[in-house]
Amino acid sequence: KAGVTQTPRYLIKTRGQQVTLSCSPISGHRSVSWYQQTPGQGLQFLFEYFSETQRNKGNFPGRFSGRQFSNSRSEMNVSTLELGDSALYLCASSLEGGGQETQYFGPGTRLLVL
Amino acid sequence: KQEVTQIPAALSVPEGENLVLNCSFTDSAIYNLQWFRQDPGKGLTSLLLIQSSQREQTSGRLNASLDKSSGRSTLYIAASQPGDSATYLCAALGDSNYQLIWGAGTKLIIKP
Repeated sequence: KAGVTQTPRYLIKTRGQQVTLSCSPISGHRSVSWYQQTPGQGLQFLFEYFSETQRNKGNFPGRFSGRQFSNSRSEMNVSTLELGDSALYLCASSLEGGGQETQYFGPGTRLLVL
Repeated sequence: KQEVTQIPAALSVPEGENLVLNCSFTDSAIYNLQWFRQDPGKGLTSLLLIQSSQREQTSGRLNASLDKSSGRSTLYIAASQPGDSATYLCAALGDSNYQLIWGAGTKLIIKP
């Protein structure tokens, strides 16, 4: 069974630009969660999508948004990039989500904002 | 507001030793407590998930315990091996907002 895949793996952007990250969950998983990991703040929950609907949202500004498609693939978008958005962005998938079961993580997308 | 703390931040032990990693949380209203490992350049791997009604979970050489009343969880690794070297993170799932709150991790180095 293929694992969670994330594309691209590395990305360099400049301040003010926008970026879209993609996550393909394990086949059959309907929940996709996104996390941001930085040396200063550690891991923080961004949002969770289930059956194409945002089910839960962390404490991030509206510049961070996402969506989920009918095949459960998910995209995350960050608009008007700031230097502080430089981070490793991880997505995780699970069958039903809600954090109540094992999540399977992708390798992450490392974003550098210059 | 839930806070999750992991002490120590780093730990280095010789191969073969048994060791304990600590995780503490401030709010006992949790749905579950989860342990993960993160290898450099890779994502996270789920190790153990303990429901709030459970006291411990075991998987191979790993055993995790949960004491909600004291706000503590421990991850016990038996007979450590160099392949166990990684950063270990714990995370508590709030039972009202269902969001994982993460500790900063313990970087474990097992010396051959």
